[in-house]
Amino acid sequence: DGGITQSPKYLFRKEGQNVTLSCEQNLNHDAMYWYRQDPGQGLRLIYYSQIVNDFQKGDIAEGYSVSREKKESFPLTVTSAQKNPTAFYLCASSKGQVRGQPQHFGDGTRLSIL
Amino acid sequence: DAKTTQPPSMDCAEGRAANLPCNHSTISGNEYVYWYRQIHSQGPQYIIHGLKNNETNEMASLIITEDRKSSTLILPHATLRDTAVYYCIVRVASSGNTGKLIFGQGTTLQVKP
Repeated sequence: DGGITQSPKYLFRKEGQNVTLSCEQNLNHDAMYWYRQDPGQGLRLIYYSQIVNDFQKGDIAEGYSVSREKKESFPLTVTSAQKNPTAFYLCASSKGQVRGQPQHFGDGTRLSIL
Repeated sequence: DAKTTQPPSMDCAEGRAANLPCNHSTISGNEYVYWYRQIHSQGPQYIIHGLKNNETNEMASLIITEDRKSSTLILPHATLRDTAVYYCIVRVASSGNTGKLIFGQGTTLQVKP
């Protein structure tokens, strides 16, 4: 089945450690997104990529980094500079921006601090 | 992007239609209306979207008023598995913007046996 796969489902980070969250899609979508969701809150955009080898900062990019070397993959690294990383991380993808193409989401990765 | 207003919660009897309203009185001509739902600890699930005309798919129907200032999501035969938080979002669709979705507080739909 086509879809978006995020892994791992749960992740624990030690102080000073970088961790990488995986996001893979087989929908042949051009655009991919990373959001963060805190308890009882809406989604906030971290990074987005509209095409391979290009990505842009969202509203809360500090302490995060991404790469987009392949169309189907958009990994997110939570660096030690992110002082409050505990959250639910959601990856999404869409065909593009025009004609209202909707975003489709993965099932998320829940990151916690040890 | 235009702001939306939804009731915080609604109940619906299993097997009956669930009608979820959304006000977006400041919507502009090039903004689409999207509906998503989120079940606890899962990613948001896309349901349906539209610009001007009413839309229907296998999950739901979307009714947009002629002035586009409000819309209603209809789940024709609600089941217990439809219990979730439902989000109405309006967004400009153009290559010049980030494409980010702004999720408000949504409507918590409780389907009861």
